[in-house]
Amino acid sequence: DTEVTQTPKHLVMGMTNKKSLKCEQHMGHRAMYWYKQKAKKPPELMFVYSYEKLSINESVPSRFSPECPNSSLLNLHLHALQPEDSALYLCASSQVLSSGNTIYFGEGSWLTVV
Amino acid sequence: GDSVTQMEGPVTLSEEAFLTINCTYTATGYPSLFWYVQYPGEGLQLLLKATKADDKGSNKGFEATYRKETTSFHLEKGSVQVSDSAVYFCALSDRGNRDDKIIFGKGTRLHILP
Repeated sequence: DTEVTQTPKHLVMGMTNKKSLKCEQHMGHRAMYWYKQKAKKPPELMFVYSYEKLSINESVPSRFSPECPNSSLLNLHLHALQPEDSALYLCASSQVLSSGNTIYFGEGSWLTVV
Repeated sequence: GDSVTQMEGPVTLSEEAFLTINCTYTATGYPSLFWYVQYPGEGLQLLLKATKADDKGSNKGFEATYRKETTSFHLEKGSVQVSDSAVYFCALSDRGNRDDKIIFGKGTRLHILP
């Protein structure tokens, strides 16, 4: 069973709002990821957590704040976003943070900033 | 650095036609290779993978063989269906690199006509 669950599926928020995207996996994976995908483009890596610790931050603006409360959960807190941040946000996980591992993606959260 | 090059499309075929989507890669270490599929409005699904030279990944009638001598991982299907219409991403994860970044190709949009 390779399932990564993301909520909400759709989110519309104003530029002054604070909202959160949530991700959950029950595969026992210890590496979790946030990706951003714009239309007709491949996913772009934002953050990687390994054993609940932030391992990679791809120079993402501070208006995006990740959090990993435990090994199964990953959140992305959103504050003061811009319209250009509208995109599909994908959560993913893999067994461990080591190159060559298979990464499994969720269905994504469609974010619209107005 | 590592990279993935795939035909960008769009590729338009009639139902039951033979499909090939070309993918070539450059890697400094020992990559695992993947094909992901993204159906309209959805996240990425792992379609198939291969972890070493001469491995063949297969799933849902799709196949791809890891060819080290030509640094290729071409996706093939003998008889496509309308339901195969989607965007296909070739990707690699290089065990020779310290960080666990998966490198995506730009994606190939596939349209199957009934």
